[in-house]
Amino acid sequence: GENVEQHPSTLSVQEGDSAVIKCTYSDSASNYFPWYKQELGKRPQLIIDIRSNVGEKKDQRIAVTLNKTAKHFSLHITETQPEDSAVYFCAASRAWGKFQFGAGTQVVVTP
Amino acid sequence: SQTIHQWPATLVQPVGSPLSLECTVEGTSNPNLYWYRQAAGRGLQLLFYSVGIGQISSEVPQNLSASRPQDRQFILSSKKLLLSDSGFYLCASNQAGYTGELFFGEGSRLTVL
Repeated sequence: GENVEQHPSTLSVQEGDSAVIKCTYSDSASNYFPWYKQELGKRPQLIIDIRSNVGEKKDQRIAVTLNKTAKHFSLHITETQPEDSAVYFCAASRAWGKFQFGAGTQVVVTP
Repeated sequence: SQTIHQWPATLVQPVGSPLSLECTVEGTSNPNLYWYRQAAGRGLQLLFYSVGIGQISSEVPQNLSASRPQDRQFILSSKKLLLSDSGFYLCASNQAGYTGELFFGEGSRLTVL
């Protein structure tokens, strides 16, 4: 089955700097790669996603890149703000939508 | 978009007691439904998924079970809870036959003492 690895497990950045989280996946048939943000005690919420026919997608301060050959994808957050502090999960999915999540990255943005 | 109602939000149960968590979905029909468990505030472990009424697939062996008595209702149960069952349980849903956004319920925090 699919295996998703996510790094780093913890990321501390100063406000205004950029944050990058990387994920690798094992199943070459995976074709959908979402990123979720989870604030403490709350449910995960989708922040951006990318499909296998696209190499990069951007939405304001966040962007995702996908390298299908290398089977890795990354989340980039620019101009980080304190409200970006949360746990971020990557995921990979194929076919009808069964998701395999990474272990999560705790992002801490310090003012 | 879909709305997922999940309850109870919090519960504290003794070891060996039964469990029932319920989830209902609005805004879609014939959704794919999932139960995830999140321990120690981190990784999301898929427990069960369902593509239709009465169709349940289990991802990990455990003392939990799931049922889908109606199209948009998903129930997680246990006859006898273990300490290791403590965690944050999330019901999730996405559109049938389509690989797209997974919507999560608010979660149920279970503490087994």
